[in-house]
Amino acid sequence: DAKTTQPPSMDCAEGRAANLPCNHSTISGNEYVYWYRQIHSQGPQYIIHGLKNNETNEMASLIITEDRKSSTLILPHATLRDTAVYYCIVSVYGGSQGNLIFGKGTKLSVKP
Amino acid sequence: GAVVSQHPSWVICKSGTSVKIECRSLDFQATTMFWYRQFPKQSLMLMATSNEGSKATYEQGVEKDKFLINHASLTLSTLTVTSAHPEDSSFYICSAPGGGTEAFFGQGTRLTVV
Repeated sequence: DAKTTQPPSMDCAEGRAANLPCNHSTISGNEYVYWYRQIHSQGPQYIIHGLKNNETNEMASLIITEDRKSSTLILPHATLRDTAVYYCIVSVYGGSQGNLIFGKGTKLSVKP
Repeated sequence: GAVVSQHPSWVICKSGTSVKIECRSLDFQATTMFWYRQFPKQSLMLMATSNEGSKATYEQGVEKDKFLINHASLTLSTLTVTSAHPEDSSFYICSAPGGGTEAFFGQGTRLTVV
């Protein structure tokens, strides 16, 4: 699977939108962009994934650039409970048929 | 979404003893489950793939005789850390595909070997 690059940490004010960037310049045509997060001392939680179109669900929005070399995860109204490490992973199967390769992720701190 | 339950959430054991960790898929069947290990301030690293009805496959550098994996049913995989030592202290996490393309993770097990 291709590698991703994320900033090691970010801060966000409570109630504001959190925009988490991810670079995946070597992504292949059949690889999806997946986002997971890990709250301290818990297992990772699936957030969202997409191929090339922007996606939105009840948790977040995913914006993928047209060339697919980067993406941004948007938490529209961050709360203190969104404080976690966010992992951007590119994968053909997203974990359904193969393992996920976790990088270091971005540690998001939501502050009151 | 699908639920993966892991038990126990934490365990403390004496050096030299064995510890079993269970991973259950509660509302779906999983022919494959994955076991990860996470050391403090590090990312998750895949240890092995658990296959229902057949032998597990281990990642390079993971001792299969030390980390015994059994996937006896479509809803249960177990990881047994044999002859545990302090360096085995870690956060162990399992995952299973839930029917779509995403993976669902257990809540993790914090193992401390004293």
